[in-house]
Amino acid sequence: EPEVTQTPSHQVTQMGQEVILRCVPISNHLYFYWYRQILGQKVEFLVSFYNNEISEKSEIFDDQFSVERPDGSNFTLKIRSTKLEDSAMYFCASSEETGYTFGSGTRLTVV
Amino acid sequence: DAKTTQPTSMDCAEGRAANLPCNHSTISGNEYVYWYRQIHSQGPQYIIHGLKNNETNEMASLIITEDRKSSTLILPHATLRDTAVYYCIVRFNTGNQFYFGTGTSLTVIP
Repeated sequence: EPEVTQTPSHQVTQMGQEVILRCVPISNHLYFYWYRQILGQKVEFLVSFYNNEISEKSEIFDDQFSVERPDGSNFTLKIRSTKLEDSAMYFCASSEETGYTFGSGTRLTVV
Repeated sequence: DAKTTQPTSMDCAEGRAANLPCNHSTISGNEYVYWYRQIHSQGPQYIIHGLKNNETNEMASLIITEDRKSSTLILPHATLRDTAVYYCIVRFNTGNQFYFGTGTSLTVIP
């Protein structure tokens, strides 16, 4: 069964550093998403991406965040200057038009 | 915000059917009901979705009331591996974000 692949599975970074989280969506999917889940809290929407541009973003997705689909297969989330409160699980997802497939996530720890 | 209401937690005996209810009284005519589950901190896993007819797949059955204001996810023979948080989500079918609520924490008991 096709999968959404995320790397790395765990990333530790120092506060203020830039971090890039990587995702390989399912190849024929058209919509791409990033969600995050702070430990013990709900899964929260960050951003959706369609036709090479952001289609929707939440209040969480401020100027510190950016997304890119650099080469037609990868989908990345960049956090420019990480803060302690960015520590969370980050999930990538992709879809055709109906239900999503989520990746297994990247655990980001900011120290 | 999530447009659904689910019980916070439920228990189910192993081998028995688990029936997870969800209220979505403000659902609109074009919104689908989706069910996902999350085991520990893994990525949410798709289970099933439907519009107004009952649906069944290899994992579960989805029963939607005629007025579409509530639904029930049925796991016909629960196993210990079905212990997870189950999310009921309503949304339009194309490209929109999912609003996750707090879900129902299902514990399957040996």
